[in-house]
Amino acid sequence: DGGITQSPKYLFRKEGQNVTLSCEQNLNHDAMYWYRQDPGQGLRLIYYSQIVNDFQKGDIAEGYSVSREKKESFPLTVTSAQKNPTAFYLCASSIDRDRGDEAFFGQGTRLTVV
Amino acid sequence: AQKVTQAQTEISVVEKEDVTLDCVYETRDTTYYLFWYKQPPSGELVFLIRRNSFDEQNEISGRYSWNFQKSTSSFNFTITASQVVDSAVYFCALSETTGGFKTIFGAGTRLFVKA
Repeated sequence: DGGITQSPKYLFRKEGQNVTLSCEQNLNHDAMYWYRQDPGQGLRLIYYSQIVNDFQKGDIAEGYSVSREKKESFPLTVTSAQKNPTAFYLCASSIDRDRGDEAFFGQGTRLTVV
Repeated sequence: AQKVTQAQTEISVVEKEDVTLDCVYETRDTTYYLFWYKQPPSGELVFLIRRNSFDEQNEISGRYSWNFQKSTSSFNFTITASQVVDSAVYFCALSETTGGFKTIFGAGTRLFVKA
């Protein structure tokens, strides 16, 4: 089955720790995205990547980092610099960002700071 | 500025009722795309429809229909004869060509369909 796989589904982080959220896609899509979703709010873009070894900051990139070493993979690291990391994180991909294509989403990772 | 407003935070209906979810957008671009996504309790967003700014034809897909009106900057979504499985959060989104097709999502409308 083609799709996007995010892991883990639930993640607990202690204050001051870095954690990495995994995102893998087998759709052969060039573009990948990370969004943050907070209760009652729409999705906000953290980072996006249009091609391997290239990525750009979105609207709320502070306290986050990403890498795109392989086309299929776009992991997100939530660093200790992110002051309010508790949220639902969604990874998505699309064929090409510059065509206004629809996005395909993973099932999300719910991160909680304990 | 790019903006998407979904004024209805929550809607509750009884099964078989029709329901319309409103979406109003703002953009300065003449070329843009509008989307609707469904987020069921499992969490992932599921794509429902994509409409470009030059195509104002209404669309129907089964029990779903969409009404795009550029004159009022609205892209409303109607579910006919709602079912319990339609219970979800629905997001409207706008993607502009300026700035490389950045996509902005509305805050979402949570729909409850009661049996």
